Amino acid sequence: QSALTQPASVSGSPGQSITISCTGTSSDVGGYNYVSWYQQHPGKAPKLMIYDVSKRPSGVSNRFSGSKSDNTASLTISGLQAEDEADYYCSSYTSSSTLIFGGGTKLTVL
Amino acid sequence: QVQLQESGPGLVKPSETLSLTCAVSAYSISSGYYWGWIRQPPGKGLEWIGCVYHTGGTYYNPSLRSRVTISVDASKNQFSLKLSSVTAADTAMYYCATIQLWFRSVDYWGQGTLVTVSS
Repeated sequence: QSALTQPASVSGSPGQSITISCTGTSSDVGGYNYVSWYQQHPGKAPKLMIYDVSKRPSGVSNRFSGSKSDNTASLTISGLQAEDEADYYCSSYTSSSTLIFGGGTKLTVL
Repeated sequence: QVQLQESGPGLVKPSETLSLTCAVSAYSISSGYYWGWIRQPPGKGLEWIGCVYHTGGTYYNPSLRSRVTISVDASKNQFSLKLSSVTAADTAMYYCATIQLWFRSVDYWGQGTLVTVSS
């Protein structure tokens, strides 16, 4: 199975908003509302930020939001903060009953 | 909340079998969740290896299926990963994790354990 497609890097200034895209196919992202997003700081395990396309786990800032259109899901971070600088990964359930991740996006806060 | 701790050899020789165990605490492994393994080669992205339900049903990454076995030991509240015929390409940080039904999310992660394949 091929990884979902994410931009390698995005950047933004403090206070700005950024969006990270995650493109798949009708067999994964487009076929199910089971897209999730993870934040990973260097040397740390990933942390769940969004699940079921747009739901936030308890304790995750409402600056993080998710959406989906056709085969592309998106993660938006508003009011960028220095602590948001990290790698971000999307994932999706697939029609083959597997889990697939995106290649990851490095967010730089300028 | 669920706590996960990986354990196993940090160095495995090529062609041998990688074996890791994940101890689960603060939650009964029989209460639900898929129990899974995810790896991350140095400097690269995440790769789902597979998972097991508490009843024993398994799901594997097609690219690894021929070499992977994931099993659960409810009596010890732990689950395990075996990856056979390893090569340098299997060098990675290995995470154990809880996975929701329909693989909707990976809720809890262990701290990870680095496994290096080298002679």
